[in-house]
Amino acid sequence: GAGVSQSPRYKVTKRGQDVALRCDPISGHVSLYWYRQALGQGPEFLTYFNYEAQQDKSGLPNDRFSAERPEGSISTLTIQRTEQRDSAMYRCASSDRVGGYTFGSGTRLTVV
Amino acid sequence: QQPVQSPQAVILREGEDAVINCSSSKALYSVHWYRQKHGEAPVFLMILLKGGEQKGHEKISASFNEKKQQSSLYLTASQLSYSGTYFCGTLGGNTGTASKLTFGTGTRLQVTL
Repeated sequence: GAGVSQSPRYKVTKRGQDVALRCDPISGHVSLYWYRQALGQGPEFLTYFNYEAQQDKSGLPNDRFSAERPEGSISTLTIQRTEQRDSAMYRCASSDRVGGYTFGSGTRLTVV
Repeated sequence: QQPVQSPQAVILREGEDAVINCSSSKALYSVHWYRQKHGEAPVFLMILLKGGEQKGHEKISASFNEKKQQSSLYLTASQLSYSGTYFCGTLGGNTGTASKLTFGTGTRLQVTL
């Protein structure tokens, strides 16, 4: 597509529920990144993929967080048994091998 | 560690110049610069690679000193549209292909009439 598309834009979920956040990167972009951003702060790295291979998941806070990109295109970030501290803006970005990142509009997750 | 940016915030009158600095404690391969307007996604401005490269984008340019592990973003003759929060993103080591950026602490820039 023309840009990076994330869905849903907003998600309100009850504590303890699982959520799945979706990212559709720019067509042909090799790399896909997941970041979390608090208000007024810089994006904080979670995980990234080159094609379908997860290269680095060192930023995932704990084992309730997981991500996949099975066909090297669309990616899903899943948070199991959500907690209030998971509330944040989750941003996806994609890039070619050496270029800048194009960010999506993000998913605002609120855990109540 | 997260790169440190300075200043944290700056207010300019339209037409004035500003410099935003980004400093890392680690050896750097490249530095990216992004601008984020309130409620929007960060937007890529430019990338600087190891080698002291300086790049320009309209009236916005940047330099990269890999020995000092620092980059600076220069905004000249600022316009109202330059308002936003600026983030540097750093890529460490000898990475030649895509890897993850570590974003800086951010600099909030406001341009007024």
